[in-house]
Amino acid sequence: GAVVSQHPSRVICKSGTSVKIECRSLDFQATTMFWYRQFPKKSLMLMATSNEGSKATYEQGVEKDKFLINHASLTLSTLTVTSAHPEDSSFYICSARAPGEAAGELFFGEGSRLTVL
Amino acid sequence: GEDVEQSLFLSVREGDSSVINCTYTDSSSTYLYWYKQEPGAGLQLLTYIFSNMDMKQDQRLTVLLNKKDKHLSLRIADTQTGDSAIYFCAEINNNDMRFGAGTRLTVKP
Repeated sequence: GAVVSQHPSRVICKSGTSVKIECRSLDFQATTMFWYRQFPKKSLMLMATSNEGSKATYEQGVEKDKFLINHASLTLSTLTVTSAHPEDSSFYICSARAPGEAAGELFFGEGSRLTVL
Repeated sequence: GEDVEQSLFLSVREGDSSVINCTYTDSSSTYLYWYKQEPGAGLQLLTYIFSNMDMKQDQRLTVLLNKKDKHLSLRIADTQTGDSAIYFCAEINNNDMRFGAGTRLTVKP
């Protein structure tokens, strides 16, 4: 199947700094990628839909100035957590839909665990 | 809003069958999915079923869909210790995909 890779897998940062997480589709082009946040014992929460060449579409309640998304190419989307706070500590996962796959089939990255001290 | 619900925990003995259940509320769902998440890893698509089907079998996995009751289940035959993970069901309607909270499957030797 298609491969989606995230980097870094783990990151620890100080409160107030910014952290960038990359999501790459390794063997296909993805015009659309999705960013999720996973809370303990809770479901994945869709944060935003990243569209290549245009602005991301954010879900209600997600601060666009806090979570900056850039989809600069067909294989790369980045999520930047700006001015991180301890409550931003979480597992962030991206996904992408590969062309030609069953409608709606998503391939997920390995996830990035962010810890804000 | 629309919800996808799963029980949080399931424990079985190695070699037994596991059945993980999921209910959803969106009757317009087109596809329903089962994902597996191993510790520290992302989600791996296990299988999916189109909403006009009622059963799909793939090796040890059997998916049953009762569209009338909006109930989805995943049966794992001959469960192995390597099957221990969190299993998420998900539904999609257009581009809106919703996940359950995940069922943690523990397989005891």
